[in-house]
Amino acid sequence: EAGVAQSPRYKIIEKRQSVAFWCNPISGHATLYWYQQILGQGPKLLIQFQNNGVVDDSQLPKDRFSAERLKGVDSTLKIQPAKLEDSAVYLCASSPLRGPYGYTFGSGTRLTVV
Amino acid sequence: AQSVAQPEDQVNVAEGNPLTVKCTYSVSGNPYLFWYVQYPNRGLQFLLKYITGDNLVKGSYGFEAEFNKSQTSFHLKKPSALVSDSALYFCAVRDLSNTGKLIFGQGTTLQVKP
Repeated sequence: EAGVAQSPRYKIIEKRQSVAFWCNPISGHATLYWYQQILGQGPKLLIQFQNNGVVDDSQLPKDRFSAERLKGVDSTLKIQPAKLEDSAVYLCASSPLRGPYGYTFGSGTRLTVV
Repeated sequence: AQSVAQPEDQVNVAEGNPLTVKCTYSVSGNPYLFWYVQYPNRGLQFLLKYITGDNLVKGSYGFEAEFNKSQTSFHLKKPSALVSDSALYFCAVRDLSNTGKLIFGQGTTLQVKP
């Protein structure tokens, strides 16, 4: 089966600019996750979608981050305006259900804010 | 709250020797535990999981993990390390509250030397 697709792979922007990331999960996977992985740390969940509804966005900095999942399939994550501390790898993952399944991760987008 | 801890930032081992990467967990109820590996500039790859049953779980690339309920541990092991095993390893627990999200440890870098 095709994996989780993410784009772009790399992005360099200046602080205060905006940026958007795209994710296409595995077909049929109801649950989609966006994680932020800062260098030297484990991934931290930003937002979780079940179909096109938000299940958990408790750690999403809502003053600058936003996300949507169109028609329960693709998802975009946006940062506006970006800060230096947003430099990280943004990982998208999907899973079929909330049961005892692992996630399938995309390759991630490495964001550098200068 | 559910959490995992990886007490070692880095593990060094000689090729051909056995390796262990440690993980301890804190959960209420029965844990769903996972190991992922991350190679440079790549996303996270699933290695293995423990849901229930045998305490010794076998996974990809010759890795296995031992679930120990009394010690709340889920250590990753391999009988004979390869240089190609050098990577960043993450232990994770599935939060069985209403969201089911994966919570990651901070990661352990495994360095296998020829």
